[in-house]
Amino acid sequence: GAVVSQHPSRVICKSGTSVKIECRSLDFQATTMFWYRQFPKQSLMLMATSNEGSKATYEQGVEKDKFLINHASLTLSTLTVTSAHPEDSSFYICSAGDSNQPQHFGDGTRLSIL
Amino acid sequence: DQQVKQNSPSLSVQEGRISILNCDYTNSMFDYFLWYKKYPAEGPTFLISISSIKDKNEDGRFTVFLNKSAKHLSLHIVPSQPGDSAVYFCAASKTPTGQLTFGSGTQLTVLP
Repeated sequence: GAVVSQHPSRVICKSGTSVKIECRSLDFQATTMFWYRQFPKQSLMLMATSNEGSKATYEQGVEKDKFLINHASLTLSTLTVTSAHPEDSSFYICSAGDSNQPQHFGDGTRLSIL
Repeated sequence: DQQVKQNSPSLSVQEGRISILNCDYTNSMFDYFLWYKKYPAEGPTFLISISSIKDKNEDGRFTVFLNKSAKHLSLHIVPSQPGDSAVYFCAASKTPTGQLTFGSGTQLTVLP
């Protein structure tokens, strides 16, 4: 069964809306989770590393004020796309792992901004 | 600069034959390598991994080979089945729980 749960799977909303995506580790505690973005026919690009109890680490070129990450517990990280615009439309995926298992991925969130 | 490369965007194989997917990396700091399978609009599914202290890891129909000196790894699937048709991503990290750097993926099509 799934060990990482991501919700929602699909979001369609108007430009200017803020969208929150949740990522939960189901059977283990994850001090670190990762957020990726995938454009059509391209690879997964790391956006940021979510650290439980501290600030997220963002990759170069990723706006931290645009993509807010909160990792408030050992099983939950959230990504909020603030004031989303059409260019933010993409497939967002989270992952988590621990010392006993490799990183597992959520099923992703397809975000469509109209 | 791509640190993990999958030079073949696609591969077609007949059912029952062997599928060989290749991956090259440039960063010598990578110590863990993983293969994921991905269907459209879904997250990647973990298949198999290998650490740099090994040169081979096998799990059922899947075997991963690592040639550290050549910075090359490959995934062998035998026998290939139509259900194996998907995009396969190679990924590498410096630590077991560290961030993953992905290759661009290879679309495998297994023909019945």
